[in-house]
Amino acid sequence: DAKTTQPNSMESNEEEPVHLPCNHSTISGTDYIHWYRQLPSQGPEYVIHGLTSNVNNRMASLAIAEDRKSSTLILHRATLRDAAVYYCILRDPYNQGGKLIFGQGTELSVKP
Amino acid sequence: DAGVIQSPRHEVTEMGQEVTLRCKPISGHDYLFWYRQTMMRGLELLIYFNNNVPIDDSGMPEDRFSAKMPNASFSTLKIQPSEPRDSAVYFCASSLRTGGGYTFGSGTRLTVV
Repeated sequence: DAKTTQPNSMESNEEEPVHLPCNHSTISGTDYIHWYRQLPSQGPEYVIHGLTSNVNNRMASLAIAEDRKSSTLILHRATLRDAAVYYCILRDPYNQGGKLIFGQGTELSVKP
Repeated sequence: DAGVIQSPRHEVTEMGQEVTLRCKPISGHDYLFWYRQTMMRGLELLIYFNNNVPIDDSGMPEDRFSAKMPNASFSTLKIQPSEPRDSAVYFCASSLRTGGGYTFGSGTRLTVV
């Protein structure tokens, strides 16, 4: 399984942008980059995914490097409710059923 | 849509007892996944189904664990006999297609004493 590398933890101030990095130097051509988050005492929640181009949705933006070996999840204005563990995962829909293998993720804390 | 529904939310059982966890995926989703989460090991994929057929059960820890999906709207994960080390939060997730996002349930917190 292709692996990703994320910082163990990050801090942010409320209402400021947050950039969560992820390295995936062994990404293959058919791997999609997925981001999930897990709030305390809840199940993981889908945030966003992309293949090559940058993606935006109501929750966040995903910036993908041109060589696809790294990506950044961008929360434009952090709120206290964004405090969670954020997981960056590679998913190949053409191999092994596209199963998601979770790493340790980045624990984001947001200060008021 | 009510999302992925898991039951029970909490289960406390004695060592040696049989435990059955239940999951109702989102209607129309053709993939279903069972995960286990502990502090030590994080989120582990146990097994997944495609169109009700088990595809990969390599994550199932041992023969005490079994999972079934008798139809598209229901799956069970059974542990028999249960042991204290099985204590964890068990999540079920479903997906419409392999390229899209998963939807997770709220989980079942299992405590084996």
